[in-house]
Amino acid sequence: RKEVEQDPGPFNVPEGATVAFNCTYSNSASQSFFWYRQDCRKEPKLLMSVYSSGNEDGRFTAQLNRASQYISLLIRDSKLSDSATYLCVVNMAPSNTGKLIFGQGTTLQVKP
Amino acid sequence: GAVVSQHPSWVICKSGTSVKIECRSLDFQATTMFWYRQFPKQSLMLMATSNEGSKATYEQGVEKDKFLINHASLTLSTLTVTSAHPEDSSFYICSAAKGPSNQPQHFGDGTRLSIL
Repeated sequence: RKEVEQDPGPFNVPEGATVAFNCTYSNSASQSFFWYRQDCRKEPKLLMSVYSSGNEDGRFTAQLNRASQYISLLIRDSKLSDSATYLCVVNMAPSNTGKLIFGQGTTLQVKP
Repeated sequence: GAVVSQHPSWVICKSGTSVKIECRSLDFQATTMFWYRQFPKQSLMLMATSNEGSKATYEQGVEKDKFLINHASLTLSTLTVTSAHPEDSSFYICSAAKGPSNQPQHFGDGTRLSIL
């Protein structure tokens, strides 16, 4: 079983649609959680951290359920520029080693 | 925001060549840097953790004699792919964090390595 699992997609949605991505992780000792965005042939860029209380940044909402070991990302009012691969990322490390484990990514294509 | 720079951004070399990739944190000091590799249509896989002033910690299955890591200062880590072969062709990305493990890492812009 992969340590971080995502549905690879692709998700093809029209502009303005709402789309949700899910992610599960296997290690219950995981300490911090993130969503990154990666454009084709580019480095990943941090989209947002994910907290147990849930957090929102504009059109993006992230949720964490520690009991279910489940993370989600909701994108509202999709824009063409949202087309990218979204990486679910978990920090497995205790204390201060900062080791990130990446999911394989979910590809989003927003069409006009 | 934090900036991490990698150089070179693209390398094409003959088989057997050794290739050095630099990772610099431009506006902060990074005690720890990380090296990842990403094959086409796959996710990033951590190769090693680079610690300033000490030996790198390699992930299982990554040959330390093949991928030499040096972290000589708080702003620079280098990865040398020794005697590279076509199967080493990949996208190599470094990252650096400003502080504790729960701080988001900032990624370099990656190095695309192609071995002929």
